[in-house]
Amino acid sequence: GNSVTQMEGPVTLSEEAFLTINCTYTATGYPSLFWYVQYPGEGLQLLLKATKADDKGSNKGFEATYRKETTSFHLEKGSVQVSDSAVYFCALSDQRRNSSYKLIFGSGTRLLVRP
Amino acid sequence: GAVVSQHPSRVICKSGTSVKIECRSLDFQATTMFWYRQFPKQSLMLMATSNEGSKATYEQGVEKDKFLINHASLTLSTLTVTSAHPEDSSFYICSANPQSGWDQETQYFGPGTRLLVL
Repeated sequence: GNSVTQMEGPVTLSEEAFLTINCTYTATGYPSLFWYVQYPGEGLQLLLKATKADDKGSNKGFEATYRKETTSFHLEKGSVQVSDSAVYFCALSDQRRNSSYKLIFGSGTRLLVRP
Repeated sequence: GAVVSQHPSRVICKSGTSVKIECRSLDFQATTMFWYRQFPKQSLMLMATSNEGSKATYEQGVEKDKFLINHASLTLSTLTVTSAHPEDSSFYICSANPQSGWDQETQYFGPGTRLLVL
C-alpha cells in the first residue's frame, strides 16, 4: 500500500540555518504530495503541495520538489526563524472510489529553532 | 478562505459520559469530512471518513459504536464519543475536502479538540 516515510526528529537548528526535512514515499499511480505544519496545540495547516513530477511547491520561504525518480519530496528552507518551530508532516493523497481523497501521513518531524 | 472550525476546543468530562465534537466548514461545502485522533508527539491516525447523507466509513480497529459520526449537512459533521473513558483522552482533529470552489484534493483542517476524561 501507499506509505510516507519522514526523517525522525527532533531537528534542532540555530536561527538563519538551512533546513532540510527528508520525505520519501511509496505509491501506485501519481499521487499529489503535501507538507502540513502543526504549531503547538493547534490543528494542521497546509504549507505547500505539488501535484505532478518536477512540480515545486513553495510558501513562506519553504520549498519542496516532487521527484518521481527518487520518490521524494524533501522540505527545504534557506534561513529558518524561531517562529518556524513546529511539527512538519509530509503526506500523499490517495483517491478513493467515491472520489474523496484520503491523506496518508508520515510520522512528523519536530523542528526546534533556537535564537 | 477554506476555514474549518471545531467546537469545543477543549473539554473535560467524567468517565461514562458522552461528548459531542462539532466540525464545521465555514466558507465552503464539504461532501467529505475526516476525523483523526492524535496522541502526544505522534502522527495523526485516521479514525473515519464522514460522508454527507450516508454512513461514515470507519478505519480498521475503530469502534463505530464508540465513536458515532453524523454528517447532517454539507457544512457540519459531528463526532460523539460515547461512554468516554480515560483512554479516550486525546486530541481530535477534523478535516474537510471542498465540494467545489476550492482545491478539492486538499484537506483543510480544524484547530482540534482536546478531550480529557477523568
